[in-house]
Amino acid sequence: AQTVTQSQPEMSVQEAETVTLSCTYDTSESNYYLFWYKQPPSRQMILVIRQEAYKQQNATENRFSVNFQKAAKSFSLKISDSQLGDTAMYFCAFMGYNNNDMRFGAGTRLTVKP
Amino acid sequence: DVKVTQSSRYLVKRTGEKVFLECVQDMDHENMFWYRQDPGLGLRLIYFSYDVKMKEKGDIPEGYSVSREKKERFSLILESASTNQTSMYLCASSMPLGAYEQYFGPGTRLTVT
Repeated sequence: AQTVTQSQPEMSVQEAETVTLSCTYDTSESNYYLFWYKQPPSRQMILVIRQEAYKQQNATENRFSVNFQKAAKSFSLKISDSQLGDTAMYFCAFMGYNNNDMRFGAGTRLTVKP
Repeated sequence: DVKVTQSSRYLVKRTGEKVFLECVQDMDHENMFWYRQDPGLGLRLIYFSYDVKMKEKGDIPEGYSVSREKKERFSLILESASTNQTSMYLCASSMPLGAYEQYFGPGTRLTVT
């Protein structure tokens, strides 16, 4: 079974600075999908960014980008120019190519300080 | 605007009670999911459904059952609630297969006393 590990339970960053959240996963599949989700305090979980394993180019969405290292099974999230609204729990997730269900990591609580 | 709604944000039940958690999505999604979220454990899949009346067990189905009689509605049932089922419950829906994101509801925080 696939497992997803987020080794940083909590992190903090100063507003306007850059922070990187780590995620590693374990799978024997060659094709799969990876996601980062954000859960703001008392608000719904939303998708931040997704990466398809067969694409070598790292995904980017505005201030959010990933560093996808397929051989190392690593999928980190970089948040540039951090804003107070980025304060949230961030979950890394894995989904197999022919699967419907996702595997989530334990999450990283990020606090952006003014 | 896509929407997944859950019947309650907060729920308090007594041990042994039968508990129903309802989830409705308006996106005509085939897939629906029930997760349990606990600190330090992330989200763990309880059950998911890929079609009406179809269901599959996730990682932690013990003590839970589900019902999907209509495409838009997916119910989670705790037949006899226990204190170790105190948790945040999240419902989600998605298109089938592919890199489709899951859309989440606001969650139900269930306390069993």
